[in-house]
Formats: sequence, structure tokens, C-alpha cells
Amino acid sequence: LAKTTQPISMDSYEGQEVNITCSHNNIATNDYITWYQQFPSQGPRFIIQGYKTKVTNEVASLFIPADRKSSTLSLPRVSLSDTAVYYCLVVLIYNQGGKLIFGQGTELSVKP
Amino acid sequence: DADVTQTPRNRITKTGKRIMLECSQTKGHDRMYWYRQDPGLGLRLIYYSFDVKDINKGEISDGYSVSRQAQAKFSLSLESAIPNQTALYFCATSDSAASGPDTQYFGPGTRLTVL
Repeated sequence: LAKTTQPISMDSYEGQEVNITCSHNNIATNDYITWYQQFPSQGPRFIIQGYKTKVTNEVASLFIPADRKSSTLSLPRVSLSDTAVYYCLVVLIYNQGGKLIFGQGTELSVKP
Repeated sequence: DADVTQTPRNRITKTGKRIMLECSQTKGHDRMYWYRQDPGLGLRLIYYSFDVKDINKGEISDGYSVSRQAQAKFSLSLESAIPNQTALYFCATSDSAASGPDTQYFGPGTRLTVL
């Protein structure tokens, strides 16, 4: 599976839009891009996944350019409760199960 | 995810003691996983099970063992705990019948301290 690279930390203020970019230069045809969110002292929580173009749900949007070598998680109008670590993962398109490879993630700090 | 529970939530023990961490799920998923998380290292897979009779080692299985007592229960044992096993432990589940890439659902974690 392709390795992912994302910023270690980001700061933001309440009400701002936050964009976290992840690079996955070696992504393969059979890979999906998936993001998890982890609050302090809790387990990671799946928030969004996509293959190409744009995906939006009630929590976030995910933008994936045509070459799929990077992706951007967009959190609209963040609040203090969005302070968390965000992990970008590349996952096989077929549901084969197995391990998820979590890197260090991006620690987002939202300030008042 | 409240459908995945872990007990205990916190445990302090001494070097050499045997410890068991338990995980239960009501999601009806067939796949279960144990991870550990250390500061700055993300999550690493210890063991995983695709069904009751299936057990597989992850990347850091040494010093650990598991038991899949039923589809809904997956326990992790430290036969003789050592201080470098101090970490946050997470259980997760996923469903082989779901379409698309594997999506895992995590429990709240067990914070284990080995003195």
C-alpha cells in the first residue's frame, strides 16, 4: 500500500475552513483514500473516503485531483470540538480486511 | 463507537503479571483487530481475526496472545507484562460483507501501564 505524508500539526480558529493535504505519490489503481479522526483518549473514527474527484458528507469534503497523488480533507467552519488528530490512509478498493496503516497523522488544534 | 466495548478502560499492573484485555462488539461484524498506540507512532496491529477459527499475527505480536471466544468477543493477553508494553490498546471490527474498502470501527481503548 502507498505511503502517505501529511503535516504533523496545524492550527486554526473557530469558524475557519481547514484544509489538510495528504500526499500519496505511489497510490495504485486498486487504492482508495480514507480519512480517520481521533479525539484524545478515544479510538479513531472513519470520517470519509473517496476514489477520485470530490466526495462530501455531513462531516467533511474530500478533494482528489485527477492524478490521485494527493488528496485534501476540508473541514468547513471548524469548532473547538474539531480539535483532533486526522489520519490519511490508502486502503485497497476491495474489502479484503486486514491492517490499516496509520502514520503520525495531523494534529489539528482549533483555538477560540 | 458504542457498539465496540473494551474492558478494563484503565489498568496498572506490575512487571511479570499476566493481563487480559477484553473486547466485545454488537455490530455483528466477523472481523476483529487489536492495535496498540504509542505517542508519535500511530497505531500498530498486534493480531487480527477474520472469523472465530481464524487468528493472524500483526506486525508486533511478540509478547501477546489472543483468543476469539465467539464472533462478538476477542481478547488480548499479555502473558508476562513488561514496561515497554505500556500503551493505549484499541480493539476494532469490520464487516467482510460490506462493499468497498475495509472500514474499521474502534472501541474506546484501554490504557495499560506496566510498572
